[in-house]
Amino acid sequence: EAGVAQSPRYKIIEKRQSVAFWCNPISGHATLYWYQQILGQGPKLLIQFQNNGVVDDSQLPKDRFSAERLKGVDSTLKIQPAKLEDSAVYLCASSFSRGGLHGYTFGSGTRLTVV
Amino acid sequence: RKEVEQDPGPFNVPEGATVAFNCTYSNSASQSFFWYRQDCRKEPKLLMSVYSSGNEDGRFTAQLNRASQYISLLIRDSKLSDSATYLCVVNCSSNTGKLIFGQGTTLQVKP
Repeated sequence: EAGVAQSPRYKIIEKRQSVAFWCNPISGHATLYWYQQILGQGPKLLIQFQNNGVVDDSQLPKDRFSAERLKGVDSTLKIQPAKLEDSAVYLCASSFSRGGLHGYTFGSGTRLTVV
Repeated sequence: RKEVEQDPGPFNVPEGATVAFNCTYSNSASQSFFWYRQDCRKEPKLLMSVYSSGNEDGRFTAQLNRASQYISLLIRDSKLSDSATYLCVVNCSSNTGKLIFGQGTTLQVKP
């Protein structure tokens, strides 16, 4: 079974630039999550989608971060403009259903460095 | 106060040692509990779920104390390959798959 695919693997940008990350969840997984993991910390949920609808975006800095999952499959996370403190690994995860944790799988992440 | 608290370590132990990690959580309504393992520059991977009755998987034993809001992980006969960061993880609601992670405890097993 293919895992959660993410790209790019690494990205280096200057502050105030914009950047986008892409995620393809495991086939059949209705729920998709974006987490931010800052060095030395555990992952923190940014946004959760159920199909193409947002379930929880309470910790998403909406002045600069946006995410979409238009067709209920792939998702993109965008940062515009980036700040130095956005340097982190952005992890995408997916699971079968909204409340169930069955099949919860993380992708390998996108490592963002803002300089 | 952090929702999930762990001692970041590092814990440096010799091969064959027994090591225990502890974790506390603040939300008494938390529903599900896990230990994840994260290797350097890799994604977190589920190590084991944690149940009130305690559960064991080979050299790993996990315990949950709901009254004290405390979770533990015991690793017996440590191997070099156990070197990693161990993340204590809590799910607070059956309506959402949101996982709340501790900052992780780093284990380094030395020959």
